[in-house]
Amino acid sequence: AQSVTQLDSQVPVFEEAPVELRCNYSSSVSVYLFWYVQYPNQGLQLLLKYLSGSTLVKGINGFEAEFNKSQTSFHLRKPSVHISDTAEYFCAALGGSYIPTFGRGTSLIVHP
Amino acid sequence: GAVVSQHPSRVICKSGTSVKIECRSLDFQATTMFWYRQFPKQSLMLMATSNEGSKATYEQGVEKDKFLINHASLTLSTLTVTSAHPEDSSFYICSAIMDRTTNYGYTFGSGTRLTVV
Repeated sequence: AQSVTQLDSQVPVFEEAPVELRCNYSSSVSVYLFWYVQYPNQGLQLLLKYLSGSTLVKGINGFEAEFNKSQTSFHLRKPSVHISDTAEYFCAALGGSYIPTFGRGTSLIVHP
Repeated sequence: GAVVSQHPSRVICKSGTSVKIECRSLDFQATTMFWYRQFPKQSLMLMATSNEGSKATYEQGVEKDKFLINHASLTLSTLTVTSAHPEDSSFYICSAIMDRTTNYGYTFGSGTRLTVV
């Protein structure tokens, strides 16, 4: 079984500033890792995923994440955020089963 | 890319009535669909997993008779909330995958906001 921990429930940041949303996972097997974004009253949209290969994964909307096996982390980053990035972000892990485990979510709030 | 359509996006119903939510994969055949429930400011709670042509597998604590799931075809799964009560009010989201073994391409519907009055 795996678990996913998103350390921050809320991350406030000013527009054009960089941001990092943290995600740690635990698993007894190799995992696949995902980041999703959810805008109010909408479903989840895939930002990026790590399946194998390069540990730095680039996604949509200028986001990227780095898989760090030794630290069991998969933090999401963006060098310069926009107001439109305000949303809920979910980290998810998949390992040993085809059913993903989601973190509790991090609310990114971008202030002008 | 893979698209999942969920309908309706919002529904208000009276207590005691039933509501059906549809989840369709528009451009791929979904071997497996998932139904989630999301409470305000919380993560997704998996309710059940459904495979086309077979009975859904419900998570512990989810009432099978209250939340009826039907996955009659490779492109359609439905969730029926029977005899709805105000505590069933929530945001329901479906997800679908084409193939469990390749790329784990989960696609989510846009969600349904259910309000029971």
